[in-house]
Amino acid sequence: EVKLLESGGGLVQPGGSLRLSCAASGFPFTDFYMSWFRQPAGKAPEWLGFIRNKAHGYTTGYNPSVEGRFTISRHDTQDMLYLQMNTLRTEDTATYYCARGTFGRAGFAYWGQGTLVTVSS
Amino acid sequence: DTVLTQSPALAVFPGERITISCRASESVSVGIYWYQQKRGQQPNLLIYGASSLVSGVPARFSGSGSGTDFNLTIDPVEADDTAIYYCHQSWNDPLTFGSGTKLEIK
Repeated sequence: EVKLLESGGGLVQPGGSLRLSCAASGFPFTDFYMSWFRQPAGKAPEWLGFIRNKAHGYTTGYNPSVEGRFTISRHDTQDMLYLQMNTLRTEDTATYYCARGTFGRAGFAYWGQGTLVTVSS
Repeated sequence: DTVLTQSPALAVFPGERITISCRASESVSVGIYWYQQKRGQQPNLLIYGASSLVSGVPARFSGSGSGTDFNLTIDPVEADDTAIYYCHQSWNDPLTFGSGTKLEIK
């Protein structure tokens, strides 16, 4: 059974940093592209970016809305995905999800349960 | 960015046939996906490639369209279908979502 479990959310002050983790199990993690999304309360999800698999050089792509502040990485031997978030703003407050693409970076059939990040002073 | 426009809300009775529309600001070919999100849960993929049903999703759900105009049809609607439905495109960068259509079952 495919499982994704995010952790690392919490309360952080504006300008601060936070690293989210996503533990994957139940599938060959190294074979798949992985993505991060966020969803502010009452709003639609927003795609943040993705990281390709080993076969495609672990290259990344980002939404311009977060490029330069957010960095996605992965550790395949531990089946872990990460989202490093820097210079956080109040508008970054949201539930953050990791997800596995079925067709490269598209078709997200598997999502974690989400972790809440609150940016507030 | 590619903007996806959805109608905001629908309220219907069980047994009815409904269509939720999604219009893209530019062509997305068939790179449209439909998600169902129930309160407090993560999104659940229903349709991929505009019209292909995800394994395990009831055949009451179907998708159609290409280019800029897409539809999600539920026939017949059941009480358990109460949720927000999002269209999502993966054809153009960055990937984007519609604002969602809230479906209420009377």
